[in-house]
Amino acid sequence: AQSVTQPDIHITVSEGASLELRCNYSYGATPYLFWYVQSPGQGLQLLLKYFSGDTLVQGIKGFEAEFKRSQSSFNLRKPSVHWSDAAEYFCAVGRLGNEKLTFGTGTRLTIIP
Amino acid sequence: DAGITQSPRHKVTETGTPVTLRCHQTENHRYMYWYRQDPGHGLRLIHYSYGVKDTDKGEVSDGYSVSRSKTEDFLLTLESATSSQTSVYFCAISEANEQYFGPGTRLTVT
Repeated sequence: AQSVTQPDIHITVSEGASLELRCNYSYGATPYLFWYVQSPGQGLQLLLKYFSGDTLVQGIKGFEAEFKRSQSSFNLRKPSVHWSDAAEYFCAVGRLGNEKLTFGTGTRLTIIP
Repeated sequence: DAGITQSPRHKVTETGTPVTLRCHQTENHRYMYWYRQDPGHGLRLIHYSYGVKDTDKGEVSDGYSVSRSKTEDFLLTLESATSSQTSVYFCAISEANEQYFGPGTRLTVT
């Protein structure tokens, strides 16, 4: 069975600083990997996805993520965070031929001035 | 915007009462999902549908049933609500292996 671990429950970053959110997955074959963002009181918005090919993927709002098969990781990064990036971030894993996703428990990001 | 609406957006109900949540989509997506979101658990799949009248259980399906009599609507029913079903419920659709979510329904069972 596939699973996702987001080891950081809560991260605090200063505005303008760089950000890295961790995601580790467990799955035997090549996974489909996703990052979603959820602002308070809102639904989830897809930030970026990895299906195949280039292991560094670019997403919306200046985010990027890198797929590292050897580390079973798909970490999310942003070079300089903005106060509007404060939200909860979810990593998810799926696979070819299966339309179900498994989500991590989320990382809450707080931005301090 | 994947054209997903959920109703109601907020509901308070009493233990033991039946509750039905509705998910409506406007773009003829085949796959639809119901998740619940709880602190410390992320999103957990309750049920999903892969077509009209075709549904299957997710990881937390006990106490829930679903129905899909037409492509655009996916209903989630709590036959007899319990306090443990207090949660935020999200509907989602899938398009090319990407899932898109509705705005959510906050359900409180007292």
